[in-house]
Parts: sequence; C-alpha cells; structure tokens
Amino acid sequence: GAGVSQTPSNKVTEKGKYVELRCDPISGHTALYWYRQSLGQGPEFLIYFQGTGAADDSGLPNDRFFAVRPEGSVSTLKIQRTERGDSAVYLCAIRRGRDRKYGYTFGSGTRLTVV
Amino acid sequence: QQPVQSPQAVILREGEDAVINCSSSKALYSVHWYRQKHGEAPVFLMILLKGGEQKGHEKISASFNEKKQQSSLYLTASQLSYSGTYFCGTGGWIIQGAQKLVFGQGTRLTINP
Repeated sequence: GAGVSQTPSNKVTEKGKYVELRCDPISGHTALYWYRQSLGQGPEFLIYFQGTGAADDSGLPNDRFFAVRPEGSVSTLKIQRTERGDSAVYLCAIRRGRDRKYGYTFGSGTRLTVV
Repeated sequence: QQPVQSPQAVILREGEDAVINCSSSKALYSVHWYRQKHGEAPVFLMILLKGGEQKGHEKISASFNEKKQQSSLYLTASQLSYSGTYFCGTGGWIIQGAQKLVFGQGTRLTINP
C-alpha cells in the first residue's frame, strides 16, 4: 500500500538457499512490523522494530529467520537455509501514528516460493 | 491465541446485509478490522478500543463487546466492491507505541450482482 514499498514482489528460490526481503517505509514511522501470510490464513506476526532495535521478535519461527533495521528506516528480513514450508507472502507494515487508535498500513508483500 | 471468525465464508447478492463475528478466548483490549482483496495487501477499515464502542464507516460499522470478548463487523446494503476476505486482529493493552496483532483466519465475502 501507499507508504510501504516491498521488494522483490516475487521471489522463487531453491531449498537451502539464502534470501533477503526488503521493506522501505515512508519516513517518520518508528514502528515497523513483519508478518507472514500463508495461503488461506490471516497474517501471522513475526517481529516488530521500534526505531533500530527489535522490540519483539517472539514470532520468528526459528533461528534461520533474522531481521535488521540498521538506520531506523529500511528493514530487511533474512532467511537462511530456506525450506519449502517458508513459502508464503511476507508482509511489512507501519502504523499511521503512535497512539493505539491507529491501524496498520501494509505493503504489497513479497511472495516467496521455495522449490 | 488466535481469534475465531465466523462465518468462514458468505455469499450475498448486492444490497444484502452481512455480519462477521470475531471471538477471542482472551480479554479484548482492541480489535482491528481489515479487508483484503485477492493478491493485494490488507487494507485497514477501523479499530475499536476497550469500552464497548461502536463505530461507523459509511455502510460498514463494527461493535465491541468486552463481556462476550467479541467484535462484530456489519456491512449493510452491500456493494460489489465489498467483496474480499475480512480479517479481525486483536491487540493487547498498550496505550502508545507499537502493538502486535493476532489475526483471525478470515471470512471470505462474495457479493454477486
């Protein structure tokens, strides 16, 4: 959606390879979230950043998944030794404001297919 | 704990009404509603906060019942553009700052002419 750009839009990779997914939000949003959405399911929380630091990474499935946001803007989700079960749409989101009355603005997502 | 949405799917004719429910086994503090069209990102519709309020957005409104730990989304006089999958997302008690959501499995709404 407007305000969050994700690249690539589609990524096909072989099992065991390493991938990086990028999220580029418009400036001024300190909170940034990563979600994963499998076919026919709702988005599933992975991690969120408050500024540069990961404030909550409890949703990362295992240590093959890692995310960074070194300058408090662009974030990269990194997946090592990909498995077929990692195939999903990876969504990045920001909130419009700090108050909890604000909803998320999602990016269009990266569709990851592991073959 | 993932909230449970019902029904899983509904098919309507244009102009008919629909209700989508979102139930949680945990205490609710906030509920978000989103609509997602096929191949697109979820789009924010509205948020309801602890306090039992009801909100409206044109012909789409929602209620929040703390006692029942449930929120309902109401779509009246549905239009073709309302077709899509609707998700509720429940959040914890955080006044400000970031808040992660737990989403339901979705309700697929199809509006036919």
